[in-house]
Amino acid sequence: QVQLVESGGGLVKPGGSLRLSCAASGFSFSDYYMSWIRQAPGKGLEWLSYINGSSSIIYYADSVKGRFTISRDNAKNSLYLQMNSLRVEDTAVYYCARGVPGGSFFLHWGQGTLVTVSS
Amino acid sequence: DYVVTQSPDSLAVSLGERATINCKSSQSVFYSSDNKNYLAWYQQKPGQPPKLLIYWASTRESGVPDRFSGSGSGTDFTLTISSLQAEDVAVYYCQQYFRTPYTFGQGTKLEIK
Repeated sequence: QVQLVESGGGLVKPGGSLRLSCAASGFSFSDYYMSWIRQAPGKGLEWLSYINGSSSIIYYADSVKGRFTISRDNAKNSLYLQMNSLRVEDTAVYYCARGVPGGSFFLHWGQGTLVTVSS
Repeated sequence: DYVVTQSPDSLAVSLGERATINCKSSQSVFYSSDNKNYLAWYQQKPGQPPKLLIYWASTRESGVPDRFSGSGSGTDFTLTISSLQAEDVAVYYCQQYFRTPYTFGQGTKLEIK
């Protein structure tokens, strides 16, 4: 069965950096677009970025463009999110999610990893 | 960006009664080439990731009870729970995936009256 497991969250000071990882299993990882989606405490869902299977197509939401970098290692079945210049408003649970061929709705989600940006 | 707005923000319905949640996109999410509406619905319970309920506006995901249904086209969509069960208490989100950035509605909190 499909499993997505995020890691790497934690407490970081404003201006700091953090790298999130998402370990995927149960499917052919390189065949799928992967996304990062976040949810601030008590708030709604915000899609951040996606990357295609070959890493040739990448898109970012304006809120993270220039600060966050999505990447993947298909040999390790892993998705990453490098987060730089972190702000207090980046505090959220970060989910990795997988869509389906032909449709960017999210059938599979990880349990999420909490990132707290605070001094 | 496509702005997606849900109504109401919260809803209280008696057990066994119908619950209706609305979702409106600022631009059409209907693609005439494949005759599909690029709109999904999710259910989120506390401490859990969202769960996909409906995609292509009206296609129920496998395993989702048939009391959940989606309808609408273009810019206006509805999620209907025909007979509310206790386990349906959750926050519901719609999402457009017609254009990046993919955007979600603000969520509708569904409670028991």
